[in-house]
Amino acid sequence: GAVVSQHPSWVICKSGTSVKIECRSLDFQATTMFWYRQFPKQSLMLMATSNEGSKATYEQGVEKDKFLINHASLTLSTLTVTSAHPEDSSFYICSAAPLAGGYNEQFFGPGTRLTVL
Amino acid sequence: DAKTTQPTSMDCAEGRAANLPCNHSTISGNEYVYWYRQIHSQGPQYIIHGLKNNETNEMASLIITEDRKSSTLILPHATLRDTAVYYCIVRVAQGAQKLVFGQGTRLTINP
Repeated sequence: GAVVSQHPSWVICKSGTSVKIECRSLDFQATTMFWYRQFPKQSLMLMATSNEGSKATYEQGVEKDKFLINHASLTLSTLTVTSAHPEDSSFYICSAAPLAGGYNEQFFGPGTRLTVL
Repeated sequence: DAKTTQPTSMDCAEGRAANLPCNHSTISGNEYVYWYRQIHSQGPQYIIHGLKNNETNEMASLIITEDRKSSTLILPHATLRDTAVYYCIVRVAQGAQKLVFGQGTRLTINP
């Protein structure tokens, strides 16, 4: 099956610092990846759609200057949380849709737990 | 994308079939029913999807009513590892389309 990895799996940082999270499709290529955020006991909320070679599309209410997304290749997208604050502490999850192979579903990474002190 | 309605929580005994309902009365003709599940502190896992015919794979079966306004996900022999939140999502069948998650059903399998 299609595998998506995320790195790091967890990170603790001080308030005001920036944190980069990587999302990689290990055995397939994807022009589109998605970034979600999940707070405790809540559902996943889509933050943005990451498109290879172009700017990300952000959902309403998500600050694009705070959550920087770079989709540098067909297998890698990164999310940088800039000037992180405690309210940014959350579980960040990415997903990717295979470019080929007739897939109509998305595959999710294992998530990155961010804790901002 | 059409909205879905699912029960907040359900319980099922280990070894029995778990039947998870989903209502999607506003589904459009080109929209599929997708099911994902999320085990605690992990990323969601794809289970199955279908348009109008019943579907079965190694994980589950999907039964869609003839009018397509509701569906049922069936886990035939539930195990403790099936304890998770199950999400029913309706959208067009294109992998690059975003998924909009509702609150899902928290399924607890009891020994």
